[in-house]
Amino acid sequence: GENVEQHPSTLSVQEGDSAVIKCTYSDSASNYFPWYKQELGKRPQLIIDIRSNVGEKKDQRIAVTLNKTAKHFSLHITETQPEDSAVYFCAASQRGSSASKIIFGSGTRLSIRP
Amino acid sequence: SAVISQKPSRDICQRGTSLTIQCQVDSQVTMMFWYRQQPGQSLTLIATANQGSEATYESGFVIDKFPISRPNLTFSTLTVSNMSPEDSSIYLCSGEENENTEAFFGQGTRLTVV
Repeated sequence: GENVEQHPSTLSVQEGDSAVIKCTYSDSASNYFPWYKQELGKRPQLIIDIRSNVGEKKDQRIAVTLNKTAKHFSLHITETQPEDSAVYFCAASQRGSSASKIIFGSGTRLSIRP
Repeated sequence: SAVISQKPSRDICQRGTSLTIQCQVDSQVTMMFWYRQQPGQSLTLIATANQGSEATYESGFVIDKFPISRPNLTFSTLTVSNMSPEDSSIYLCSGEENENTEAFFGQGTRLTVV
């Protein structure tokens, strides 16, 4: 089955700097890669997603890149703000198949230093 | 996107007893899933809740321990049976309206077994 690895497990950046979180996946049939943000005591919330027919997607300060050949995808947050502090999870899924379940990475705890 | 109401939000249970967690979606969803999240850890998929048929369980999870119902496209339950302290965790349900929409989560159930 699918296995998603994520690193780093913790990341501390100065406010205003950029943060990058990287993930790899094992199943070449995966075609949908969402990123979730989870604040303490809250439910995970989707912040951006990318499908395998696209190499990059951007939404304001957040961007995601996908390298299908290497099975790598990354989250980039620019101009970080205190409210970006949270745990971020990458995930992978096979949309359009009977295996459309979402498998999550281990998570990255992002802290923004003022 | 649709909204999932999950209850109870938390419970403290005696070992050997069972707890049923409910998720109600405010619109029809094709897919529903149940996850377990240990504090500070990632989301581990327990099973896919199939409408009108038996759930599909992931490795390490069995129906006798985690029976799941999904009688229609807006409702699902997860029962944690014969609980032990090792079952203490947060349990989350998620749903997807279709393969082109995001997966969204209930607010979670924090279970403590004493």
